[in-house]
Amino acid sequence: AQRVTQPEKLLSVFKGAPVELKCNYSYSGSPELFWYVQYSRQRLQLLLRHISRESIKGFTADLNKGETSFHLKKPFAQEEDSAMYYCALSGRNNDMRFGAGTRLTVKP
Amino acid sequence: NAGVTQTPKFQVLKTGQSMTLQCAQDMNHEYMSWYRQDPGMGLRLIHYSVGAGITDQGEVPNGYNVSRSTTEDFPLRLLSAAPSQTSVYFCASRGPFGRSSYEQYFGPGTRLTVT
Repeated sequence: AQRVTQPEKLLSVFKGAPVELKCNYSYSGSPELFWYVQYSRQRLQLLLRHISRESIKGFTADLNKGETSFHLKKPFAQEEDSAMYYCALSGRNNDMRFGAGTRLTVKP
Repeated sequence: NAGVTQTPKFQVLKTGQSMTLQCAQDMNHEYMSWYRQDPGMGLRLIHYSVGAGITDQGEVPNGYNVSRSTTEDFPLRLLSAAPSQTSVYFCASRGPFGRSSYEQYFGPGTRLTVT
């Protein structure tokens, strides 16, 4: 079965603090993993994907196959990072499954 | 390119009514999908299509029908609306089938209320 778990529904940090949004997955095979973000009144948009190994807006995510995790991290959170974050997994059939999402609030 | 478009933006239905949510994309994407977004549940896949004439069920298909007669359009039909279908619906599209690393593009969403 293809499943994505985001254990934290809400996460609140102060500006300048490190932030980590957790994502665990279950999939029998080699998945493609993504982080999507939805800012207030905007469409869902891709933040980053594991295959690119990139850093976007200061965020990084490392795929840990042993722990089946793909946590999203940023060393210094900014107020504009406040948004809803979704972890997603894409399998063989191309269908993309999402976690329940984590609402991040960065306080001034 | 307009990307992924959805109509209507908002809709209120009475229980038992039927309606079709429209979705179109102009990126020549093979893969299209419908999700519903509910608080605490994230996005759940309703139906998806890997090309014209091919559709398949996702996680929560009951109460919804889809068809894919063209590459561009992927309408979602509610045959007999129920209050449990009150949600925000997102259509999305993606590049060639088989490329699971490709980004998925989302429409702006349709907010549906069933009374």
